[in-house]
Amino acid sequence: EVQLVESGGGLVQPGRSLRLSCAVSGFTFGDYGMHWVRQAPGKGLEWVSTISWNSGSIGYADSVQGRFTISRDNVKNSLYLQMDSLRAEDTALYYCAKETLDRYTSGWYAYYGMDVWGQGTTVTVSS
Amino acid sequence: DIQLTQSPSFLSASVGDTVTITCRASQGISSYLAWYQEKPGKAPKLLIYAASTLQSGVPSRFSGSGSGTEFILTISSLQPEDFGTYYCQQLNSYPLTFGGGTKVEIK
Repeated sequence: EVQLVESGGGLVQPGRSLRLSCAVSGFTFGDYGMHWVRQAPGKGLEWVSTISWNSGSIGYADSVQGRFTISRDNVKNSLYLQMDSLRAEDTALYYCAKETLDRYTSGWYAYYGMDVWGQGTTVTVSS
Repeated sequence: DIQLTQSPSFLSASVGDTVTITCRASQGISSYLAWYQEKPGKAPKLLIYAASTLQSGVPSRFSGSGSGTEFILTISSLQPEDFGTYYCQQLNSYPLTFGGGTKVEIK
């Protein structure tokens, strides 16, 4: 069974840092791109960041560019999101999600959708 | 950045109805569009990718069409379990973006 389990969320003061982790199982992690998506309370979905299967292609939302860093460890089957200089507007439920097509099917650094999602981890930025 | 505009933002329909949701992109995105269904307290569920490819396990009453800048999600014969909020997402180029969502209510 494919599973994604996020951890690392919590309450943090503005300006501080937090590192989210996503442990995966049930598929060949190194063959898939991965994503982070967040949802603020009562709001819609917001894409945060994407990393390709080999970390060769990385993208960020404008709202987090320069403050957040996505990374992955294909040996440990884990995805990470380092969040620095946190702001109140970063308060949200953060999901990690798996790209639907593997690198052999999708082509070089192409993305098609997020077919498996974790349960999410909550980040609250408040003094 | 590519903006996605969904319409309507809310719709109420009866069981058995056919409903359509439109997603318009501010610039061409080929067929790099996905549709998701979200229900309260649950993670989003992928319905359609590549604009028209039905994700495995998704009922065939869901279908997607379009390319370029205009896309449509159709739910044929609406079922009670189809309530929720539907989002489109473009994956053509960074930053990847979601539409604002369409809340579907069952009358």
